[in-house]
Amino acid sequence: KQEVTQIPAALSVPEGENLVLNCSFTDSAIYNLQWFRQDPGKGLTSLLLIQSSQREQTSGRLNASLDKSSGRSTLYIAASQPGDSATYLCAVRGTGNQFYFGTGTSLTVIP
Amino acid sequence: GAVVSQHPSRVICKSGTSVKIECRSLDFQATTMFWYRQFPKKSLMLMATSNEGSKATYEQGVEKDKFLINHASLTLSTLTVTSAHPEDSSFYICSARDPALRTSEIQETQYFGPGTRLLVL
Repeated sequence: KQEVTQIPAALSVPEGENLVLNCSFTDSAIYNLQWFRQDPGKGLTSLLLIQSSQREQTSGRLNASLDKSSGRSTLYIAASQPGDSATYLCAVRGTGNQFYFGTGTSLTVIP
Repeated sequence: GAVVSQHPSRVICKSGTSVKIECRSLDFQATTMFWYRQFPKKSLMLMATSNEGSKATYEQGVEKDKFLINHASLTLSTLTVTSAHPEDSSFYICSARDPALRTSEIQETQYFGPGTRLLVL
C-alpha cells in the first residue's frame, strides 16, 4: 500500500526566507502528485499538480518538483510571507484515482 | 472551475444517533467520489470510493456497516455515520472527479469539498 511521508512535520521561519518542504512516497506507480494547502479547520486548496511524466511545476512563488523514480517531491516557497502559514499536504494519486495523503508539514511564517 | 459542496459544514450530535453528510458536484457529473477522514492534527485517510450505481469500495479497516455510503446519482454521494460515538468525531472530506474532462491537464484534477466537521457528544 502506498505510504506518503512529509518532512519536516513542523517548520517555523522568519518572513522573507525561502524554504523547502519534502514529500516521499513508497510506490512509484503514481498517476500524479499534488500539493495542497489546508488552513486550520478548513478544506483543501490545490496549489500545484505534477503529472507523473513531468519534473516540475511553478505557480508564482511556488515551485514543485517530482522525481518519480526515487519517490520524492519537494515544494519550494520563495520569499515566504505570514499569509503562507498553513499546513501543506502532498498527495499522490494512484492508478485507482484515489489520493494517498502525506502526513503534512505545519508551516509558520513569523512576521 | 468545478465546485464540490458538502452539507452540513458542521454537525454536533448525541452518541448513538446517525448523521448523514452530503457531497454534491455542482456543475459536473461525477461517476466516482471519494470520502476521506481527518483526525485532529493528522493527515487525510481515504475511507472509501463511491461509485454511482454500485456498491462503494472500502479501504481496509473501515467498517462498512458503520459508514454507509450511497451514490444514487451522478451529482450526489452521501456518507452516513451510523450509531455515532465520540471516537467518530472527525473532519470528513469528499472529492469528485469529472470523467468528461479528457483533453487537458484539468482532467487529472479532483475537486475537493470544503469538509464537514462532526462532533459526537
